[in-house]
Amino acid sequence: QVQLQESGPGLVKPSQTLSLTCTISGGSITSGFYYWNWVRQPAGKGLEWIGRIDSSGSTNYNPSLRSRATVSVDTSKNQFSLKMNSMGAADTAVYYCARGATPGLFDHWGQGTLVTVSS
Amino acid sequence: EIVLTQSPATLSLSPGERATLSCRASQSISSYLAWFQQKPGQAPRLLIYDTSNRATGIPARFSGSGSGTDFTLTISSLEPEDFAVYYCQQRSNWLTFGGGTKVEIK
Repeated sequence: QVQLQESGPGLVKPSQTLSLTCTISGGSITSGFYYWNWVRQPAGKGLEWIGRIDSSGSTNYNPSLRSRATVSVDTSKNQFSLKMNSMGAADTAVYYCARGATPGLFDHWGQGTLVTVSS
Repeated sequence: EIVLTQSPATLSLSPGERATLSCRASQSISSYLAWFQQKPGQAPRLLIYDTSNRATGIPARFSGSGSGTDFTLTISSLEPEDFAVYYCQQRSNWLTFGGGTKVEIK
């Protein structure tokens, strides 16, 4: 059973760049064709899709984030990553990584990591 | 952007009762709708995809229906572990989520 685990700094200063990593266990990131996603959730609020990369390396992003996000894969480490620049207080949220077998489906999720933007 | 509106915001029911949750899309999304369950401090869990297909390991008391713009998640008989927040999500045009329905114990 594939498992996903997010890691990264819990605190980011305003205007800085956030870097998060999602490590896959129980399977290889190169096994099969999947979509590797990032989703976030501010405290007490709903879910927002950030972006994804598929097994061919193609990426798609939420237009509302205005090109602030970049998703990439490191097959040697069985990981994929999120970088988001110009972080502000509104970006404080729990960030989840998730896998989908089809574009737009999220069938496996990490446990989430809280990112707080504060000076 | 397709907006998903969930109703009601809160549903107060007792164990054993039937729960009916609604999700309405601002434009047609065909059958590209999924439902998730989220408990406090946990990641969302996929329940239903493409309107009516149960995800692996999801009990038969969960069912989904609808098409176009109006969709329903039904829990036929609430178990204690079903009290949680439920989100709908569309993948017809980019990806958006509804605001959630909290199913609480009456």
